[in-house]
Amino acid sequence: EPEVTQTPSHQVTQMGQEVILRCVPISNHLYFYWYRQILGQKVEFLVSFYNNEISEKSEIFDDQFSVERPDGSNFTLKIRSTKLEDSAMYFCASSEVAPGGEQYFGPGTRLTVT
Amino acid sequence: QQQVKQSPQSLIVQKGGISIINCAYENTAFDYFPWYQQFPGKGPALLIAIRPDVSEKKEGRFTISFNKSAKQFSLHIMDSQPGDSATYFCAASMNDYKLSFGAGTTVTVRA
Repeated sequence: EPEVTQTPSHQVTQMGQEVILRCVPISNHLYFYWYRQILGQKVEFLVSFYNNEISEKSEIFDDQFSVERPDGSNFTLKIRSTKLEDSAMYFCASSEVAPGGEQYFGPGTRLTVT
Repeated sequence: QQQVKQSPQSLIVQKGGISIINCAYENTAFDYFPWYQQFPGKGPALLIAIRPDVSEKKEGRFTISFNKSAKQFSLHIMDSQPGDSATYFCAASMNDYKLSFGAGTTVTVRA
């Protein structure tokens, strides 16, 4: 069964450093998403991406964040200067159709900012 | 703004029992209501979803009941098994790109 994959599974970084989280969406999906989940809290939407453009973003997704599809398979989330409060699980998701399509989530990257 | 409210925060059920999780939403423009199951250290997995043109949807032991007038929907897990022990999230979408999640319910099934 096709699945969304993410690397790394765990990333530890120092405050102020840049991090790039990587995702490989399901191959025939065209819509891509990033969500985050702070420990013990609910999953929060960050951004959606289609046709090499951001289609929607939340207030969390400020200028410190960026997304990119550098090639035909990868989808990345970059945080330019990490803060302690960026520590969370980051989930990539993809869907075949949108809006309102079924979103399939990857296993997540746990980001720890020290 | 908490658009989807989920309850209870946690529940314990005996093996073979019924688990019921409730969600209420505020935005009447929501038109897609999925439920996700999450095991520790894993990503949310789509379990079952419903759209407001039906009042109930059943897949195996999992049933969604939807009450459009009350703006509520619920997940029923019949014949609960220890392998069902997980955190369950309801979510909603209004023909846009983002899912708005509830706070989650931790279900523990005792053997």
